[in-house]
Amino acid sequence: DVKVTQSSRYLVKRTGEKVFLECVQDMDHENMFWYRQDPGLGLRLIYFSYDVKMKEKGDIPEGYSVSREKKERFSLILESASTNQTSMYLCASRPPGGLNTEAFFGQGTRLTVV
Amino acid sequence: GIQVEQSPPDLILQEGANSTLRCNFSDSVNNLQWFHQNPWGQLINLFYIPSGTKQNGRLSATTVATERYSLLYISSSQTTDSGVYFCAVGFMNRDDKIIFGKGTRLHILP
Repeated sequence: DVKVTQSSRYLVKRTGEKVFLECVQDMDHENMFWYRQDPGLGLRLIYFSYDVKMKEKGDIPEGYSVSREKKERFSLILESASTNQTSMYLCASRPPGGLNTEAFFGQGTRLTVV
Repeated sequence: GIQVEQSPPDLILQEGANSTLRCNFSDSVNNLQWFHQNPWGQLINLFYIPSGTKQNGRLSATTVATERYSLLYISSSQTTDSGVYFCAVGFMNRDDKIIFGKGTRLHILP
């Protein structure tokens, strides 16, 4: 079974802190994604990466950065956390385009910024 | 622009009823998945179905790619089916992004 593991289920951070959300996958997938989910807005793409050291902005990248130094790990970084970044964060991985490109998600991280 | 629309946004049914959830998409796809979000927030894979029909127990899904829609059927609903169902799509000839619909919230009453 594909496993996508996020480092924390729940996280509470203070405004202005630098926050790292970690995601690890064990299926050697090239593509990895970070989404945030907010009530009424669904899942919105923050960043995605299609290879090591490669990244692309999604729909809402402001206030975030990412790091992909190894294929299995994709980190989301909040440089200076703000209360409007309180949200559910979901990481996913999938193979590149072609046959059978099923995506798998981690368990999610509920981040509260106080 | 690129769109994924799900309907209805909310659905309330009695236990034992059948339901149909719909996903419309705006362009040709190479990936379409249905997910169920459990109470703890995790997205559970139900179907990977860019075209055709699949069944898994009481759940089945059909994607008609040429007409740009997919349907998720739940038969003999149980209270444990409650939650939010998402359709997520990867569009052909574009990058490998997956775009989500806003979901259908299903409430199954005992």
